[in-house]
Formats: sequence, structure tokens, C-alpha cells
Amino acid sequence: GAGVSQSPSNKVTEKGKDVELRCDPISGHTALYWYRQSLGQGLEFLIYFQGNSAPDKSGLPSDRFSAERTGGSVSTLTIQRTQQEDSAVYLCASSAVDEQFFGPGTRLTVL
Amino acid sequence: AQSVTQPDIHITVSEGASLELRCNYSYGATPYLFWYVQSPGQGLQLLLKYFSGDTLVQGIKGFEAEFKRSQSSFNLRKPSVHWSDAAEYFCAVGDPFTGGGNKLTFGTGTQLKVEL
Repeated sequence: GAGVSQSPSNKVTEKGKDVELRCDPISGHTALYWYRQSLGQGLEFLIYFQGNSAPDKSGLPSDRFSAERTGGSVSTLTIQRTQQEDSAVYLCASSAVDEQFFGPGTRLTVL
Repeated sequence: AQSVTQPDIHITVSEGASLELRCNYSYGATPYLFWYVQSPGQGLQLLLKYFSGDTLVQGIKGFEAEFKRSQSSFNLRKPSVHWSDAAEYFCAVGDPFTGGGNKLTFGTGTQLKVEL
């Protein structure tokens, strides 16, 4: 069956621009997660959505980062006024119970 | 706060040799424990997980891991490595009090190279 998909697979942007990254979770999965993978920081949790509950935003590094999940399915991670330190691979995962299934990631490069 | 340590950044083994990747965690109780593998350009794939019960868990691709409470460790093992096992391996912990499907804390990863 279909796994977690993310788009775009690669994104190059200029410093100061806004970017939107999309995640399509596995159908029926109630939980959705965003992580960031960078050379200096490894894999970091960003935000977590569970059903209709308020999201856990405790991992967002600054107020330039935000995310939403519409209709309990697709999620968009938005980074405003991008900085060079935002360059990383952004991974999305979804889960039904306890195993998180990861997408291939979006590689973001900020010039 | 929970943390995970993978002391080996790089490991090189010969094909057919045994493998052990180390993972130590810091947490007030026994967390949920996971091992993931990431091949180049790919997302993370779950190899195995431990929540409770038998401390030796079997996973996919011939991997196993043993939970040792006294050592706060969850080391990954494979008796005979194949060239296709070359990848990066991540140990992760989850908070058991909020359910296994919650945010994970990852180690920094171990890059495995397999020599033919």
C-alpha cells in the first residue's frame, strides 16, 4: 500500500523567502510527526499532531516555523523568512498505534 | 529529559562478520526503544522495537536487540552482515507514559560500512 509521501523532494530557496513542505500520511493514521535531520543537530522532533487534539509544538525551533494539519490528514510545514541554518532534510512520519512510518523527506537548501 | 547515546559514529565490518551497534539511553524509567535504519536517500525504516516483556527482540532483516536495564542499553546485533546492510542506524526512545506513538528522541546515528 501507499506509504508516507512528501513533496517536494528537494527545495532550494533564497534566504528570507517562505517555504511550504507537504506531507501525505498513510490513510487512517491518526498521528503525524515532523522531524528535522541536519548535520549539526542530528534528528530532531519538531511537532506532533494526534487526532483532533492540540498539536505538540515543543520542538519547533523558532516562531518562524509553523505547521497545520487539515482534515486530520495532509500536513504542511511552513518556514517563514528562511535562514541558512534551516537547511536540512525535513522528515514526516505517521502512525496508527506505536510504529512511526517515515516518508523520504524533503531536502531544503537555503542559499 | 530523555537522551540517547550512540558512541560509535562509524563502524566498518567485513561481509559475513557479526555486528553489534551500541545504544545507551538516559531516562527515569524504561522507555520505549526503537532501532531504525536509513539507506542513502531513503526515509527511516523500523528494524525492531521494545516496549516490555522478553528483553531479546527480533526484528526484520535478521537483526535482533537486547534490552539490558542494568546498563540502560539496547544494543543491536546481527550474526552475519550482508553488503546490503551498509546504511546509517539510529536508536530512538519514546515516552511510555504518553504512548509508544509519540515523539521520538534519536541518537546521533552509526554509519555502517561493509567491506566485501
